[in-house]
Amino acid sequence: EVQLVESGGGLVQPGRSLRLSCAASGFTFDDYAMHWVRLPPGKGLEWVSGISWDDFKIDYADSVKGRFTISRDDAENSLHLQMNSLRPDDTALYYCVKDKGGYTYGWDAFDIWGQGIMVTVSS
Amino acid sequence: DIQMTQSPSSLSASVGDRVTITCRASQGIANYLAWYQQKPGKVPKLLIYAASTLPSGVPSRFSGSGHGTDFTLTISSLQPEDVATYYCQRYNYAPLTFGGGTKVEIK
Repeated sequence: EVQLVESGGGLVQPGRSLRLSCAASGFTFDDYAMHWVRLPPGKGLEWVSGISWDDFKIDYADSVKGRFTISRDDAENSLHLQMNSLRPDDTALYYCVKDKGGYTYGWDAFDIWGQGIMVTVSS
Repeated sequence: DIQMTQSPSSLSASVGDRVTITCRASQGIANYLAWYQQKPGKVPKLLIYAASTLPSGVPSRFSGSGHGTDFTLTISSLQPEDVATYYCQRYNYAPLTFGGGTKVEIK
């Protein structure tokens, strides 16, 4: 069964850091690009960041550029999101998401989603 | 950045009705357009990719059309289990923008 399981969320004060992780199983992880997408309370989906199958291509939303860093560990079948200088408007449910395309440097639609992990930034 | 504008933001329709949701890109995106369904309290699900292709397992009452800047998601006969928020998303290049969402309810 294809599965993505996020961890590392929680309550954090503004300005602090948090690292999200995503454990992938049921598919050949290093064949696919991966992404983080978030859902702020009462708002719509927002793409946060994506990383290609080989780390060569990495993109960020303008709202997180310079503060967040995406990475992957293919040996551990895991995806990470290092979040620094957190702000209250980063409060959201964060989803780990699999890109449908494989061995490509273009992005594709998102075909597998994790259950999400909540991040709350508040003093 | 290319903006994605969905309309309407919400709708209420009867079971069996034909429902249409539109998504407009501020610039041409060819067919790099996906639709997602998010039921209350659930994870988003891919409904359509490449503007009109249904993944395996998606009911045939869902269809997508469009190319360039104007796209449509159609539910041919609304069912109670279709109550959800629907999002369009472009994925030609970053940022991979979502539309604002359309909340579909049963009248």
